[in-house]
Amino acid sequence: DIQMTQSPSSLSASVGDTVTITCQASQDITISLNWFQQKPGKAPKLLIYDASNLETGVPSRFSGSGSGTDFTFTISSLQPEDIATFYCQQSDNLPPTFGGGTKVEIK
Amino acid sequence: VLLQESGPGLVKPSQTLSLTCTVSGGSITSHYWSWIRQTPGKGLEWIGYLSYSGSTNYNPSLTSRVTMSLDTSKNHFSLKLTSVTAADTAIYYCARGKASPDYWGQGTLVTVSS
Repeated sequence: DIQMTQSPSSLSASVGDTVTITCQASQDITISLNWFQQKPGKAPKLLIYDASNLETGVPSRFSGSGSGTDFTFTISSLQPEDIATFYCQQSDNLPPTFGGGTKVEIK
Repeated sequence: VLLQESGPGLVKPSQTLSLTCTVSGGSITSHYWSWIRQTPGKGLEWIGYLSYSGSTNYNPSLTSRVTMSLDTSKNHFSLKLTSVTAADTAIYYCARGKASPDYWGQGTLVTVSS
């Protein structure tokens, strides 16, 4: 299975800050990388697919980049409603595998 | 599209976990469908998917115990996991898509305990 390593595991930032999360795959996954947001008690929500494509209806302050083994997820201006845990997930090889998550909190 | 999981919240060790996902607002015959589970210890784990034609692909770590099927007349699909242990205690989600799930059910907690 492809291992997905996310960092940091948690972070605290102020409203309006830029937040960056990284995700590293254990082998080349081209651009087959998704980002999910999970709020407490809710199912994960797909935000970005194929590394950089924003899912319909997702605010433009969310963005993703990268290819191969190294990927980045950015929130350009953190909002209170963005508090959640974010996960990367590779869709290149079966089984799809998820990173360990990054919990984002407001400072 | 709305997905809703249903099934027992408590299953005894060694028994079979059975869940159903009812799909509304869309046809089950036009997409792939997945089951994913989440535990505090192992995080999010993909269990497997089935296609609108009924073909399946399971996580190798679970393949000996998993069966998925769909019922087009009821617009739902199902998961069976046999010989459960405490390690199978998790929130189980159904979702649309085989590797990039875009719609998810709310999830259902299944506890394995005697």
